[in-house]
Amino acid sequence: DGGITQSPKYLFRKEGQNVTLSCEQNLNHDAMYWYRQDPGQGLRLIYYSQIVNDFQKGDIAEGYSVSREKKESFPLTVTSAQKNPTAFYLCASSRVAALGEQFFGPGTRLTVL
Amino acid sequence: AQTVTQSQPEMSVQEAETVTLSCTYDTSESDYYLFWYKQPPSRQMILVIRQEAYKQQNATENRFSVNFQKAAKSFSLKISDSQLGDAAMYFCAYLGGSQGNLIFGKGTKLSVKP
Repeated sequence: DGGITQSPKYLFRKEGQNVTLSCEQNLNHDAMYWYRQDPGQGLRLIYYSQIVNDFQKGDIAEGYSVSREKKESFPLTVTSAQKNPTAFYLCASSRVAALGEQFFGPGTRLTVL
Repeated sequence: AQTVTQSQPEMSVQEAETVTLSCTYDTSESDYYLFWYKQPPSRQMILVIRQEAYKQQNATENRFSVNFQKAAKSFSLKISDSQLGDAAMYFCAYLGGSQGNLIFGKGTKLSVKP
C-alpha cells in the first residue's frame, strides 16, 4: 500500500536529549514537510524539502534539524535547543511542492519528561 | 503574509442535519488552492475537499461541498446529512506561492448529536 509512515507513535524524552522522528513515504513524492500541532492551534510548518539534498526552514525551525538524503525519507531531529518540544508532529508529502494536496502520516506524539 | 481564520472554535449539529463551517483567508496572490482537512480523534489528517482558485465552480465531494467566494476571500464547508462519523476537528488550509507549505486555520471542533 502507498502511504506515509511515521515512527514511533509515542516518544518520551528527557530534557537535554536530542531525539529523531522518522518519516517515510512510498508515494514517489518530491516534496516533504514537517508540521507541529499544539492544543488549540492549527499546524505550523517546521521544515520542508522540495527535492533530495535540499530543505528550507519553515515558520518555527529553531531547535529542529532535518536531512533529506533519500527521496523517501525526511527525518526530523528535535534538539535540546528546542525550548518547548512537547507536541504532536505530523509529516506530509506532495507530488510537487505548491501543486495540489498534501498527504499526511499518522503523527508522532512527543513528550518531554 | 497569508493568514487563515476560522471564527468558530466549536460547532454542533444534529445527526442528518446540515452544518456550515466558516473560513476566511487573506492573500495578495491570484492563484492558489484551498482545502478542508478533517482530523478525527485518531489525529490522522484526512483531506475532505479541495478548491482551485481559478475555478469558479464550487467543489463537491458527496455530502461535502464548499461555498468559495474569491472576492470576499471566503471558503466555507457545508456538510449535508451529518453522520456520527463526521465528528472531528476541521481545518481550513491555504496553499499558494512557490514554497508549497500549507497555512492552516486553528480549526473548528464539530460535534454530531444522535
